Amino acid sequence: QSDLTQPASVSGSVGQSITISCTGSSSDVGAYDYVSWYQQHPGKAPKLVIYDVNKRPSGMSDRFSGSKSGNTASLTISGLLAEDEADYYCSSYTSSDTLAIFGGGTRLTV
Amino acid sequence: QVQLVQSGTEVRRPGSSVKVSCKASRDTFATHAFFWVRQAPGQRPEWMGGIIPMSATANYPEKFQGRVSLTADEAASEVFMELSSLKSEDTAVYYCARGMKVADGGGVASFDVWGQGTMVIVSS
Repeated sequence: QSDLTQPASVSGSVGQSITISCTGSSSDVGAYDYVSWYQQHPGKAPKLVIYDVNKRPSGMSDRFSGSKSGNTASLTISGLLAEDEADYYCSSYTSSDTLAIFGGGTRLTV
Repeated sequence: QVQLVQSGTEVRRPGSSVKVSCKASRDTFATHAFFWVRQAPGQRPEWMGGIIPMSATANYPEKFQGRVSLTADEAASEVFMELSSLKSEDTAVYYCARGMKVADGGGVASFDVWGQGTMVIVSS
């Protein structure tokens, strides 16, 4: 299977909005609406922020939103806060023997 | 609040095995699938396999077939990941994670609760 591709880094100022892209293939992102996004602070476990492309887990801030077009999914964070500074990973269900594949991660600097 | 609590740091020699535990609350153990994801330093997460504790059904990607074994202890509400024939490339943080359950059948391949991670160091 192929990996998911993300930009290595993005940056934004407090109060601004940013978007992180995640490009896969017709075997994963393009085939299924099962894209997830995780936030990971240094030394901590990942935290689910978006599932099924655009759904938020219970209690997750509505500043986080997701979308998909073709083989590319996107995560948008609006009204940036300093605490949003972290690594963000996308993940997708695949048709291979691997349940989920992950992107290489994007470092968000606020 | 649902928590998954993992065992502590392990140091192993190449060629040996390691077994990591993950304890869940009884109700979440009985109703969810559990998965293992590892993350080598500076690398992307990597899915290693999953288990449905109440049926003891486990599945693994081809990459880990024959080297990973996932088991569960119903009495203790614990799941275990054993990795054998360790190599230096297996040095990573190993996470257990709960598979999401959504009423409409969504949440496939999404992990909504994670353990704190277990560092496994493989070095001679």
